[in-house]
Amino acid sequence: DIQMTQSPSSLSASVGDRVTITCQASQDISNYLNWYQQKPGKAPKLLIYDASNLETGVPSRFSGSGSGTDFTFTISSLQPEDIATYYCQQYDNLGTFGQGTKLEIK
Amino acid sequence: EVQLVESGGGLVQPGGSLRLSCAASGFTFSSYSMNWVRQAPGKGLEWVSYISSSSSTIYYADSVKGRFTISRDNAKNSLYLQMNSLRAEDTAVYYCASSFRYLARYWGQGTLVTVSS
Repeated sequence: DIQMTQSPSSLSASVGDRVTITCQASQDISNYLNWYQQKPGKAPKLLIYDASNLETGVPSRFSGSGSGTDFTFTISSLQPEDIATYYCQQYDNLGTFGQGTKLEIK
Repeated sequence: EVQLVESGGGLVQPGGSLRLSCAASGFTFSSYSMNWVRQAPGKGLEWVSYISSSSSTIYYADSVKGRFTISRDNAKNSLYLQMNSLRAEDTAVYYCASSFRYLARYWGQGTLVTVSS
């Protein structure tokens, strides 16, 4: 089974800050990685697919990078509406999720 | 418009059974694998089960293996999850999700399963 280690588990930042979340796979998953945003009571929303491709309609301040085992998700300038929990997910073999990162405004 | 609509959740006693359904529309259901994902209250997302487009390949998370059964009916564009021997730790919102590789943007709204006496 592929394990996904996501960090940090929580993050407090100010509006306008650059925010970075990392995700590490237990084995090489190429670029088979999604990033989701989830707000309370809602289903996850896809933001990034194939590690670095921005989903249609998602603001360009969101980006992803990486391949193999190490991946990064970045919000270039944090906005109040970005308050949510973010998850990475590998889909090279089934669909393991990272533990999630809860993002709060400082 | 793609839609995934779950149903069948509710309150069940420990040891009981429940069958979840997911009605799919707006895409060629029979061409894609499907998944169930769950989220316990206040916890993260957990992949539960996978079924290939033809039902020939099925996988389960270790936490549900031997108790849950995934199935699909391509003629009815429907996905199912039969849950037996339910435990308190199975309490969660259960989401129906399509192929993570090709249709990851499409998720159902979720159905709540509560296991409690």
